[in-house]
Amino acid sequence: AQSVTQPDIHITVSEGASLELRCNYSYGATPYLFWYVQSPGQGLQLLLKYFSGDTLVQGIKGFEAEFKRSQSSFNLRKPSVHWSDAAEYFCAVGQGDTGRRALTFGSGTRLQVQP
Amino acid sequence: DAMVIQNPRYQVTQFGKPVTLSCSQTLNHNVMYWYQQKSSQAPKLLFHYYDKDFNNEADTPDNFQSRRPNTSFCFLDIRSPGLGDAAMYLCATAAKRETQYFGPGTRLLVL
Repeated sequence: AQSVTQPDIHITVSEGASLELRCNYSYGATPYLFWYVQSPGQGLQLLLKYFSGDTLVQGIKGFEAEFKRSQSSFNLRKPSVHWSDAAEYFCAVGQGDTGRRALTFGSGTRLQVQP
Repeated sequence: DAMVIQNPRYQVTQFGKPVTLSCSQTLNHNVMYWYQQKSSQAPKLLFHYYDKDFNNEADTPDNFQSRRPNTSFCFLDIRSPGLGDAAMYLCATAAKRETQYFGPGTRLLVL
């Protein structure tokens, strides 16, 4: 069965500092990987996704993620964090036919941004 | 803009009183999902529709049911809400083999 681990429950960074959120997955075949962001009381917004091809994926709001098969990781990065980035971030893995099957989510990382 | 809409955004119900949450989409996606998300937890899939084909997760309580009368609409019915059913309920849609897009959610409070 597939699984996703986000080892950091809570991260605090200063505004303008760089950010890396960790995500490790377990899946037998090539996974479909996603990062979603959730602001308090809101739904999930897609930041970026990896299906195949270039392992460095660019997303919205200046985020990027790198797929590393050898490490089973899909870490999310941003070079300079803004106060508006404070939110909960979820990594998710889907099976090949992702339109039919559900995503498996990690437990989330809550990002706090200090002025 | 094409989108996923959930109504109401906030729903208060009484213990044991049936409640229905609704989801609509203008994306014309053939797959629709319902997730339950409790505070500080990841979303948990309750069930999904692939066109009219209903797929229930094994651990979804019988208290939860769903209807999809057409492509655009999907409903979540909670027959007898308990205090433990208070949560955010998220609807998502996807085209086959594509990304899931989420609505803003409905926060359910059970008194």
